[in-house]
Amino acid sequence: GDSVTQMEGPVTLSEEAFLTINCTYTATGYPSLFWYVQYPGEGLQLLLKATKADDKGSNKGFEATYRKETTSFHLEKGSVQVSDSAVYFCALSAISGNTPLVFGKGTRLSVIA
Amino acid sequence: DAGVIQSPRHEVTEMGQEVTLRCKPISGHNSLFWYRQTMMRGLELLIYFNNNVPIDDSGMPEDRFSAKMPNASFSTLKIQPSEPRDSAVYFCASSLAGITGELFFGEGSRLTVL
Repeated sequence: GDSVTQMEGPVTLSEEAFLTINCTYTATGYPSLFWYVQYPGEGLQLLLKATKADDKGSNKGFEATYRKETTSFHLEKGSVQVSDSAVYFCALSAISGNTPLVFGKGTRLSVIA
Repeated sequence: DAGVIQSPRHEVTEMGQEVTLRCKPISGHNSLFWYRQTMMRGLELLIYFNNNVPIDDSGMPEDRFSAKMPNASFSTLKIQPSEPRDSAVYFCASSLAGITGELFFGEGSRLTVL
């Protein structure tokens, strides 16, 4: 079945460091791909998405490019801030249209000043 | 616009008691999902509804768990009787575009069963 694998955390970075959180997927066809973020004490919220190959999703300085050749959707940010400390979830939406989003296990990011 | 509204935000109860969690989805959304989040097991999908009809409840851990959606603007998740291992944060989410659409999550209900 469809699945998402993302790098295990926790990830600890200093402020202004470069961030990469890896995400790869297994799915039939070309699913839509998402990154969700969960700040402490809150629910998940959509950070960015891409619906077809080579699309780049971006928001709040974060970017991710849909790479069908490597079945990946890695999340990147050039300069993280303390306020980016959160748990990040990669997810996919199957093209079959009859199953909910499939989430990865989440990666906790801590940014220290 | 109001987001997904969950209540209570925090619930502390004793083992054996009945617990009812409530969710009001975003108006106009046609799919609703219940998730459970723990440190050990991460985010788990419990059950989801489309147009108020339960589609898949295979994620519900035991018969002690039940969920209803009597109308498009309200859903409940009930645990009876509750056990300490049910302690978790329970999230409700809704979607405008069916069960594969973008999810909008509530802030969660943190349940502690003593």
